[in-house]
Amino acid sequence: DGGITQSPKYLFRKEGQNVTLSCEQNLNHDAMYWYRQDPGQGLRLIYYSQIVNDFQKGDIAEGYSVSREKKESFPLTVTSAQKNPTAFYLCASSISRTEYSPLHFGNGTRLTVT
Amino acid sequence: AQSVTQPDIHITVSEGASLELRCNYSYGATPYLFWYVQSPGQGLQLLLKYFSGDTLVQGIKGFEAEFKRSQSSFNLRKPSVHWSDAAEYFCAVGFRSGGYNKLIFGAGTRLAVHP
Repeated sequence: DGGITQSPKYLFRKEGQNVTLSCEQNLNHDAMYWYRQDPGQGLRLIYYSQIVNDFQKGDIAEGYSVSREKKESFPLTVTSAQKNPTAFYLCASSISRTEYSPLHFGNGTRLTVT
Repeated sequence: AQSVTQPDIHITVSEGASLELRCNYSYGATPYLFWYVQSPGQGLQLLLKYFSGDTLVQGIKGFEAEFKRSQSSFNLRKPSVHWSDAAEYFCAVGFRSGGYNKLIFGAGTRLAVHP
């Protein structure tokens, strides 16, 4: 079955360390997205990518970085510059960003930084 | 600016009762509208979508939603709730911005179901 795989499901890090969250899709989708979810705030867009080797900042990109070297993969790095990194992170994909199509989501990674 | 409002943070219903979750949006043209459901610790699953045409949209799991342009609303309904419907529900609005599609999510409504 096609889908989006996020790993790991839970991640614990010490403050000051960078951490990378994995996202892989086998849906052959062009567009991929990273969202951050905090209680009571819905989903906020961190970064998105329309095609390989191209990505754009979303609404809350500060303290995060991404890469898109392969169509299937869109890893997110939470850097030590992110002031409040503890959150639930969701990766999503869609057919493209120019055609209207629903987002398909992974099952998320819960990051805890202490 | 575009926005999405889900006025109810928490809703509790009894199993077998009807359900309506509210969603209002602010956008100058007709947006694209979605409802997603999220079980605890999971990703979001698409329940239904409205792009154009019939304003009453049927989705999965017995849900439906009605787009009312005059009220800028896209409320989600289910005639008889099951205990397994307990989850968080997100309304999302899509619109064009700079040649690309942008999606804004509401803050969510958490549904509890009493036996």
